[in-house]
Amino acid sequence: DSGVTQTPKHLITATGQRVTLRCSPRSGDLSVYWYQQSLDQGLQFLIQYYNGEERAKGNILERFSAQQFPDLHSELNLSSLELGDSALYFCASSAGPFNTEAFFGQGTRLTVV
Amino acid sequence: QQPVQSPQAVILREGEDAVINCSSSKALYSVHWYRQKHGEAPVFLMILLKGGEQKGHEKISASFNEKKQQSSLYLTASQLSYSGTYFCGTESEVNRDDKIIFGKGTRLHILP
Repeated sequence: DSGVTQTPKHLITATGQRVTLRCSPRSGDLSVYWYQQSLDQGLQFLIQYYNGEERAKGNILERFSAQQFPDLHSELNLSSLELGDSALYFCASSAGPFNTEAFFGQGTRLTVV
Repeated sequence: QQPVQSPQAVILREGEDAVINCSSSKALYSVHWYRQKHGEAPVFLMILLKGGEQKGHEKISASFNEKKQQSSLYLTASQLSYSGTYFCGTESEVNRDDKIIFGKGTRLHILP
């Protein structure tokens, strides 16, 4: 158990809908990262937050947004969903702002039908 | 830019050695290695920083050639538990934007 909690574990939704994925980092970790994993693309970095502020941005679509709340949990919002958004979404956390050892949650598997 | 990992997949017998390579076209500040077992989350193995030393843990070690922008992961006397997909993640020295870009992974399967 990495200490990072993601909910829900599975999500099935229709195209055009909006979903919210939730992540609780390890106790004491201030950084939260979001990754998308699909079969042919490996782990795609989406975005990083550190202590409530956006720190780094990857190839995150405009339809996607995220935030980190004062209690350090984070949410990833995916809207106007398309079939191609089906993937495993991982959240990871680390202690500081710089890239050090990151601990991954078990992921949320999103299926868009 | 996504680093390139090689080989894409490898099958070994227990006790054999394996080398997984990771190369980038950009100057690197750091290389991160993770292992992901099927159906599980990636697990951290090690980080190699520019100017740092080769790292190792038991029978898994890695090197970082800064001049060639390459890193290699060495698995010695592989065990069944080493099976999984290995990802390298690289952080660019030029941008230092703290983004880690992962390769597509190397699938390692250890046979008894």
